[in-house]
Amino acid sequence: DQQVKQNSPSLSVQEGRISILNCDYTNSMFDYFLWYKKYPAEGPTFLISISSIKDKNEDGRFTVFLNKSAKHLSLHIVPSQPGDSAVYFCAAKDSGTYKYIFGTGTRLKVLA
Amino acid sequence: DTGVSQDPRHKITKRGQNVTFRCDPISEHNRLYWYRQTLGQGPEFLTYFQNEAQLEKSRLLSDRFSAERPKGSFSTLEIQRTEQGDSAMYLCASAPGQTNNEQFFGPGTRLTVL
Repeated sequence: DQQVKQNSPSLSVQEGRISILNCDYTNSMFDYFLWYKKYPAEGPTFLISISSIKDKNEDGRFTVFLNKSAKHLSLHIVPSQPGDSAVYFCAAKDSGTYKYIFGTGTRLKVLA
Repeated sequence: DTGVSQDPRHKITKRGQNVTFRCDPISEHNRLYWYRQTLGQGPEFLTYFQNEAQLEKSRLLSDRFSAERPKGSFSTLEIQRTEQGDSAMYLCASAPGQTNNEQFFGPGTRLTVL
């Protein structure tokens, strides 16, 4: 039972344009959401997070949007840069546990 | 470099052997997680420590897996009687404080069971 879903395994975007990565979840008990970026042969690196009491959080080129009614999370990267090419994971924390549940990832390729 | 370190980076073993992995978290971090990641999947939660106390363990984790964090510093993950299905990347992450915080991941230990 995949509680956090990233339905797009890959995405290609031109440099300078917006990248939008999507994530859907099923558990209404999730209270905190995070995005991580992963390069080959490295562990995931934290990008940005959002609490369930908010609907938007922005940090430089990265903005995360949360739509609780739709159980949908998205990460916007503007402008996209070739160095953003990586696998992006969304993750969610169940409020009743210490557990973080990760999606399967979306591979972003930013074309120069 | 004061990030999370893991040792070894790669381990090849034969089915039925025991293996042990080590994780050294960032020194002031009291929270420590172990994850397993297989190809095409995201990290899967295995267990969580707050200081030296193991507060949560995945129900998916078989009895062959055990983790410790003596003195609340480094942690070890042991897999007994390894099976081919245990082949995966084992990731360790640490985090500070008591509230929801970003986790800092190590580079992982890649296990191959022949």
